[in-house]
Amino acid sequence: DTAVSQTPKYLVTQMGNDKSIKCEQNLGHDTMYWYKQDSKKFLKIMFSYNNKELIINETVPNRFSPKSPDKAHLNLHINSLELGDSAVYFCASSPGPTNTGELFFGEGSRLTVL
Amino acid sequence: DQQVKQNSPSLSVQEGRISILNCDYTNSMFDYFLWYKKYPAEGPTFLISISSIKDKNEDGRFTVFLNKSAKHLSLHIVPSQPGDSAVYFCAAILAGRRALTFGSGTRLQVQP
Repeated sequence: DTAVSQTPKYLVTQMGNDKSIKCEQNLGHDTMYWYKQDSKKFLKIMFSYNNKELIINETVPNRFSPKSPDKAHLNLHINSLELGDSAVYFCASSPGPTNTGELFFGEGSRLTVL
Repeated sequence: DQQVKQNSPSLSVQEGRISILNCDYTNSMFDYFLWYKKYPAEGPTFLISISSIKDKNEDGRFTVFLNKSAKHLSLHIVPSQPGDSAVYFCAAILAGRRALTFGSGTRLQVQP
């Protein structure tokens, strides 16, 4: 059983479309994250939720909207997709808001915007 | 401005030898430093960490060294095995911020 699972793993879409990436964790963790791996391979934090409440909201366009229906799920919705949104998006979780940095990552969702 | 830098994009070593992966950082306030390992088509997995108040942490074949005066850390893998071939990400965290800052990764290839 995958601990942190993301769907879809691959997504190819046209500019201007709206798409969502879903994430679920079965570890019983309270905190979930979205990271974006850009073309230079850096992973950068986008959002974090603790028990359904937003605790980290980095400077990302407001076309990106996270939603946490419960503490086991954190979905990422992207409106009006742009070429620069092409990246690999990783979901992660931790038992609580981490101070030591140990996260459990999903396999990633590769988004390609044409 | 990248606060965590891995200046070597790749490294190749022979099986049985030592692998040394390096990482530099600019923010002296980081509280913890971590190494994550990533295989293709998988997410990063936590490997080993070190608190900023220590200079060495060892876990089996993996040892992380921290040199605060130089703002430098390194990961030593001894002996290297072909299964260690992966991308290794250095990361750091400010405890209050609760989010990791990653380097760009070093691809390690261990030749049989």
